[in-house]
Amino acid sequence: NAGVMQNPRHLVRRRGQEARLRCSPMKGHSHVYWYRQLPEEGLKFMVYLQKENIIDESGMPKERFSAEFPKEGPSILRIQQVVRGDSAAYFCASSSEGDTQYFGPGTRLTVL
Amino acid sequence: AQSVAQPEDQVNVAEGNPLTVKCTYSVSGNPYLFWYVQYPNRGLQFLLKYITGDNLVKGSYGFEAEFNKSQTSFHLKKPSALVSDSALYFCAVRDGAGSYQLTFGKGTKLSVIP
Repeated sequence: NAGVMQNPRHLVRRRGQEARLRCSPMKGHSHVYWYRQLPEEGLKFMVYLQKENIIDESGMPKERFSAEFPKEGPSILRIQQVVRGDSAAYFCASSSEGDTQYFGPGTRLTVL
Repeated sequence: AQSVAQPEDQVNVAEGNPLTVKCTYSVSGNPYLFWYVQYPNRGLQFLLKYITGDNLVKGSYGFEAEFNKSQTSFHLKKPSALVSDSALYFCAVRDGAGSYQLTFGKGTKLSVIP
Protein backbone atom coordinates (compact mmCIF):
# COMPACT_ATOMS: atom_id res chain seq x y z
CA ASN A 1 0.00 0.00 0.00
CA ALA A 2 1.98 2.95 -1.31
CA GLY A 3 1.98 6.07 0.77
CA VAL A 4 2.05 9.65 -0.42
CA MET A 5 4.68 10.04 -3.11
CA GLN A 6 6.55 13.20 -3.92
CA ASN A 7 9.09 13.95 -6.59
CA PRO A 8 11.68 15.06 -6.99
CA ARG A 9 13.09 14.57 -3.50
CA HIS A 10 15.69 17.24 -4.08
CA LEU A 11 15.49 20.13 -6.52
CA VAL A 12 18.10 22.78 -7.23
CA ARG A 13 17.15 25.90 -9.15
CA ARG A 14 18.87 29.17 -9.93
CA ARG A 15 17.16 32.43 -9.13
CA GLY A 16 14.53 33.27 -11.73
CA GLN A 17 13.87 29.68 -12.81
CA GLU A 18 10.68 27.74 -12.29
CA ALA A 19 10.22 24.90 -9.81
CA ARG A 20 7.59 22.17 -10.24
CA LEU A 21 6.88 19.86 -7.35
CA ARG A 22 4.70 16.78 -7.76
CA CYS A 23 2.57 14.88 -5.30
CA SER A 24 0.65 11.64 -5.76
CA PRO A 25 -1.81 11.03 -2.90
CA MET A 26 -2.38 7.73 -1.18
CA LYS A 27 -4.70 5.37 -2.97
CA GLY A 28 -8.30 6.29 -2.22
CA HIS A 29 -7.50 9.82 -1.05
CA SER A 30 -9.01 12.72 -2.94
CA HIS A 31 -7.82 15.58 -0.70
CA VAL A 32 -4.34 17.04 -1.06
CA TYR A 33 -2.58 19.63 1.08
CA TRP A 34 0.72 21.44 0.60
CA TYR A 35 2.86 22.70 3.49
CA ARG A 36 6.21 24.48 3.62
CA GLN A 37 8.85 23.94 6.27
CA LEU A 38 11.54 26.53 6.71
CA PRO A 39 14.73 25.60 8.61
CA GLU A 40 14.19 25.26 12.37
CA GLU A 41 10.45 25.84 12.03
CA GLY A 42 7.24 23.88 11.94
CA LEU A 43 5.16 23.32 8.86
CA LYS A 44 3.07 26.15 7.47
CA PHE A 45 -0.11 25.45 5.51
CA MET A 46 -0.15 26.66 1.93
CA VAL A 47 -3.08 25.21 0.02
CA TYR A 48 -5.80 22.56 0.14
CA LEU A 49 -7.13 20.98 -3.04
CA GLN A 50 -9.60 18.39 -4.16
CA LYS A 51 -9.75 17.02 -7.67
CA GLU A 52 -9.89 19.99 -10.08
CA ASN A 53 -10.72 22.42 -7.26
CA ILE A 54 -8.76 24.70 -4.96
CA ILE A 55 -10.62 24.66 -1.64
CA ASP A 56 -8.41 26.85 0.55
CA GLU A 57 -5.36 28.78 -0.63
CA SER A 58 -5.17 31.14 2.31
CA GLY A 59 -1.55 30.18 3.04
CA MET A 60 -0.29 30.59 -0.48
CA PRO A 61 1.83 33.64 -1.38
CA LYS A 62 -0.15 35.86 -3.72
CA GLU A 63 2.48 35.98 -6.43
CA ARG A 64 4.61 33.36 -8.18
CA PHE A 65 2.99 30.36 -6.45
CA SER A 66 0.22 28.22 -7.90
CA ALA A 67 -1.18 24.75 -7.31
CA GLU A 68 -3.38 22.35 -9.18
CA PHE A 69 -4.82 18.87 -8.75
CA PRO A 70 -6.08 17.75 -12.16
CA LYS A 71 -8.62 15.04 -12.79
CA GLU A 72 -5.82 12.76 -13.93
CA GLY A 73 -2.29 12.79 -12.59
CA PRO A 74 -0.51 14.19 -9.57
CA SER A 75 -0.99 17.48 -7.79
CA ILE A 76 1.53 20.11 -8.85
CA LEU A 77 2.93 22.99 -6.82
CA ARG A 78 4.52 25.50 -9.15
CA ILE A 79 6.84 28.30 -8.13
CA GLN A 80 7.74 30.78 -10.83
CA GLN A 81 10.84 32.99 -10.80
CA VAL A 82 12.23 31.41 -7.66
CA VAL A 83 14.14 33.50 -5.13
CA ARG A 84 16.52 32.40 -2.37
CA GLY A 85 13.77 32.80 0.22
CA ASP A 86 11.83 29.99 -1.48
CA SER A 87 14.48 27.49 -0.33
CA ALA A 88 12.63 25.13 2.00
CA ALA A 89 11.18 21.67 2.34
CA TYR A 90 7.77 21.34 0.71
CA PHE A 91 5.54 18.61 2.03
CA CYS A 92 2.41 17.21 0.53
CA ALA A 93 -0.24 15.40 2.56
CA SER A 94 -3.36 13.54 1.56
CA SER A 95 -6.52 12.40 3.28
CA SER A 96 -9.96 11.07 2.69
CA GLU A 97 -12.80 13.38 3.69
CA GLY A 98 -11.88 15.26 6.87
CA ASP A 99 -9.66 12.46 8.08
CA THR A 100 -6.04 12.20 9.20
CA GLN A 101 -3.51 13.76 6.85
CA TYR A 102 -0.66 11.49 5.81
CA PHE A 103 2.53 13.13 4.64
CA GLY A 104 4.93 12.41 1.85
CA PRO A 105 8.73 12.48 2.20
CA GLY A 106 8.95 16.06 0.97
CA THR A 107 10.82 17.92 -1.74
CA ARG A 108 13.82 19.93 -0.63
CA LEU A 109 14.16 22.97 -2.83
CA THR A 110 17.44 24.83 -2.94
CA VAL A 111 17.66 28.12 -4.81
CA LEU A 112 21.16 29.19 -5.76
CA ALA B 1 -7.41 31.76 14.45
CA GLN B 2 -5.74 28.64 15.75
CA SER B 3 -2.30 28.18 17.27
CA VAL B 4 -0.07 25.58 18.90
CA ALA B 5 2.70 26.07 21.42
CA GLN B 6 5.41 23.56 22.16
CA PRO B 7 7.24 25.26 25.03
CA GLU B 8 10.36 23.08 24.92
CA ASP B 9 12.71 23.19 21.96
CA GLN B 10 14.54 20.14 23.28
CA VAL B 11 13.80 17.35 25.72
CA ASN B 12 16.48 14.98 26.96
CA VAL B 13 15.58 11.73 28.68
CA ALA B 14 17.47 8.62 29.69
CA GLU B 15 16.64 5.37 27.95
CA GLY B 16 14.02 3.45 29.92
CA ASN B 17 12.66 6.54 31.66
CA PRO B 18 9.21 7.98 30.96
CA LEU B 19 9.03 10.87 28.52
CA THR B 20 6.66 13.79 28.09
CA VAL B 21 6.56 16.27 25.22
CA LYS B 22 4.31 19.22 25.96
CA CYS B 23 1.75 20.89 23.72
CA THR B 24 -0.88 23.55 24.32
CA TYR B 25 -3.32 24.82 21.74
CA SER B 26 -5.81 27.53 20.95
CA VAL B 27 -8.76 27.05 18.61
CA SER B 28 -12.17 28.68 18.40
CA GLY B 29 -14.20 25.52 17.81
CA ASN B 30 -13.78 21.90 18.77
CA PRO B 31 -10.11 20.93 18.65
CA TYR B 32 -8.88 18.09 16.51
CA LEU B 33 -5.37 17.36 17.80
CA PHE B 34 -2.53 15.40 16.26
CA TRP B 35 1.02 14.31 16.97
CA TYR B 36 3.53 13.62 14.22
CA VAL B 37 7.16 12.53 14.36
CA GLN B 38 9.87 13.54 11.89
CA TYR B 39 13.17 11.74 11.47
CA PRO B 40 16.10 13.55 9.80
CA ASN B 41 15.47 14.34 6.13
CA ARG B 42 12.19 12.46 6.20
CA GLY B 43 8.52 13.35 6.05
CA LEU B 44 6.16 13.42 9.00
CA GLN B 45 4.79 10.18 10.35
CA PHE B 46 1.40 10.18 12.04
CA LEU B 47 1.47 9.00 15.67
CA LEU B 48 -1.98 9.61 17.10
CA LYS B 49 -4.98 11.93 17.16
CA TYR B 50 -7.77 13.14 19.39
CA ILE B 51 -11.13 13.94 17.83
CA THR B 52 -13.64 13.07 20.50
CA GLY B 53 -14.25 10.51 23.23
CA ASP B 54 -11.76 9.19 25.76
CA ASN B 55 -9.26 11.86 26.82
CA LEU B 56 -6.39 9.35 26.74
CA VAL B 57 -5.55 8.27 23.23
CA LYS B 58 -3.07 5.57 22.30
CA GLY B 59 -1.01 5.60 19.15
CA SER B 60 1.87 4.03 17.32
CA TYR B 61 5.12 2.78 18.88
CA GLY B 62 3.76 2.84 22.44
CA PHE B 63 3.01 6.57 22.49
CA GLU B 64 -0.07 8.04 24.09
CA ALA B 65 -1.43 11.53 24.66
CA GLU B 66 -3.84 13.06 27.11
CA PHE B 67 -6.36 15.68 26.07
CA ASN B 68 -7.06 18.21 28.82
CA LYS B 69 -9.77 20.66 27.82
CA SER B 70 -9.48 22.94 30.85
CA GLN B 71 -5.73 23.37 30.36
CA THR B 72 -6.00 23.30 26.55
CA SER B 73 -3.18 20.79 26.50
CA PHE B 74 -2.38 17.62 24.58
CA HIS B 75 0.90 16.28 25.98
CA LEU B 76 2.60 13.31 24.36
CA LYS B 77 3.82 10.56 26.66
CA LYS B 78 5.57 7.22 26.66
CA PRO B 79 6.20 5.07 29.74
CA SER B 80 9.68 3.90 28.71
CA ALA B 81 11.80 5.77 26.16
CA LEU B 82 13.92 4.05 23.52
CA VAL B 83 17.01 5.46 21.82
CA SER B 84 15.15 5.01 18.52
CA ASP B 85 12.50 7.49 19.74
CA SER B 86 15.03 10.30 19.23
CA ALA B 87 13.46 12.57 16.62
CA LEU B 88 11.56 15.82 16.10
CA TYR B 89 7.98 15.80 17.38
CA PHE B 90 5.24 18.09 16.13
CA CYS B 91 1.88 18.82 17.66
CA ALA B 92 -0.86 20.07 15.33
CA VAL B 93 -4.42 21.33 15.66
CA ARG B 94 -7.32 22.11 13.45
CA ASP B 95 -10.79 23.45 14.11
CA GLY B 96 -13.23 20.57 13.83
CA ALA B 97 -15.85 22.85 12.30
CA GLY B 98 -13.54 24.85 10.12
CA SER B 99 -10.96 24.44 7.41
CA TYR B 100 -9.02 21.23 7.17
CA GLN B 101 -5.70 23.05 7.38
CA LEU B 102 -3.44 21.97 10.20
CA THR B 103 -1.56 24.46 12.35
CA PHE B 104 1.71 23.07 13.67
CA GLY B 105 3.87 23.89 16.63
CA LYS B 106 7.57 24.60 16.05
CA GLY B 107 8.54 21.13 17.12
CA THR B 108 10.36 19.56 20.05
CA LYS B 109 13.59 17.67 19.56
CA LEU B 110 13.63 14.57 21.71
CA SER B 111 16.98 13.01 22.56
CA VAL B 112 16.98 9.67 24.35
CA ILE B 113 20.34 9.04 25.98
CA PRO B 114 21.57 5.45 26.19
